[in-house]
This record gives sequence, C-alpha cells and structure tokens, in this order.
Amino acid sequence: EVQLVESGGGLVQPGGSLRLSCAASGFTFSSYEMNWVRQAPGKGLEWVSYISSSGSTIYYADSVKGRFTISRDNAKNSLYLQMNSLRAEDTAVYYCASRLRWLRLPLGAFDIWGQGTMVTVSS
Amino acid sequence: AIQLTQSPSSLSASVGDRVTITCRASQGISSALAWYQQKPGKAPKLLIYDASSLESGVPSRFSGSGSGTDFTLTISSLQPEDFATYYCQQFNSYPQGLTFGGGTKVEIK
Repeated sequence: EVQLVESGGGLVQPGGSLRLSCAASGFTFSSYEMNWVRQAPGKGLEWVSYISSSGSTIYYADSVKGRFTISRDNAKNSLYLQMNSLRAEDTAVYYCASRLRWLRLPLGAFDIWGQGTMVTVSS
Repeated sequence: AIQLTQSPSSLSASVGDRVTITCRASQGISSALAWYQQKPGKAPKLLIYDASSLESGVPSRFSGSGSGTDFTLTISSLQPEDFATYYCQQFNSYPQGLTFGGGTKVEIK
C-alpha cells in the first residue's frame, strides 16, 4: 500500500526545537520530490518546504526560512523537518505530501498526503 | 507572492443543489491551479488539477474552469459526502513556492 506516515509531533516551548519524520512506503521514494504543508488549528493550508528527489534542491516559505531545515534519507525512505526557534504561530498539523502520478499530474499538484502530525508550541 | 482569494468562505446548501466556489489569483497563473477537498481530521484530497482536469476516481459531478486569474469549482448535484472544506491551490511558481486559498466550508442547510 502506498502511504506516508508522519511522526515526531508534540508539545514544545517557544524557542524550542522539534524534528518531524515522514516514512514512505509502497513506492520508490528516491524518485519523488517531497513537501511539507501545515495547517494551524481551524485555519487553512500553508506550504512550508520542498525538497527534490535527490535532496539537491530545497525551498522554504518565508515564514520558516532560517529556522526550519528539510532533509531526506533515500536509503531509509524518510523525509525530515528540523524545526528550530519555534514560535506560537508554528502550532499546526504538519503534513508531508507529494506527486506520485508524475506522468499525469503537473508539478505542484499533490496526490498523496500523510495523515499529519500535530505540533503545539506553548509554554 | 501570489495570493489566492476564495469566495464565499462558507455556504449552506442542500443535497442536490448546484454549488459554485470561486478562486481569484492576485496575478495571472495560466492554468496552474488545483482544487482539494478536506474533511475534518483528514488530509486534503486532490479533486481537480490544471484548472479543469478531473483527478482519477473523483466523481464527474465535480468540475473546474477558468484560467489566468479567475477560477471556479462546481459541484453539479451536491451529495451528502461532499460536505467538506474546499481549497484552491496555485503552483505557477512551484517549487519556489505555492499558495492555497483560504478555503470554503460547504455545510448542510
């Protein structure tokens, strides 16, 4: 079964750090670009970061640039998001997402999402 | 950054109604637009890509139209399972960035 499973969320104090993971299965992870998208409680979706299939190209939203680091380990079929200097406004469900059907879908349309992991930044 | 404005932010409708949701981009994005459906506690689900192409497995009562700055998602006959929140998304500048609209919550009248 093709799936993405996030983990690593939890409660952290402002200024603290957290590392999220996204485990991929059922497809050749190393062939696909990956993204993190977040959703604050009761709010809309916000794209956070992109990483190419090889890991050589990375982009971030302005809201997290300089604080968050995306990475991947293709040997472990895993995607990561290292979050430092966390703020209350980073509180959200974090999803990993990708485009699996690359022959049919345009770049940027996500047809596979994980179930999400909740990050709460509060003292 | 390209902004997407969805309207309305919420609507109430009955089963069988025709529902239309609009999405306006702050600058032209050609047809680089997708629509997603999200139910409470679940991840978004892709419905439409390239503004008007129906994703595999999505019922034909969903359709999308538009190009440039103005886009529309239409549900031709609302079904009970369609009550959810819908988001538009532009990927014109991907992977350097992409943005989502604020969402439209479709509720039962």
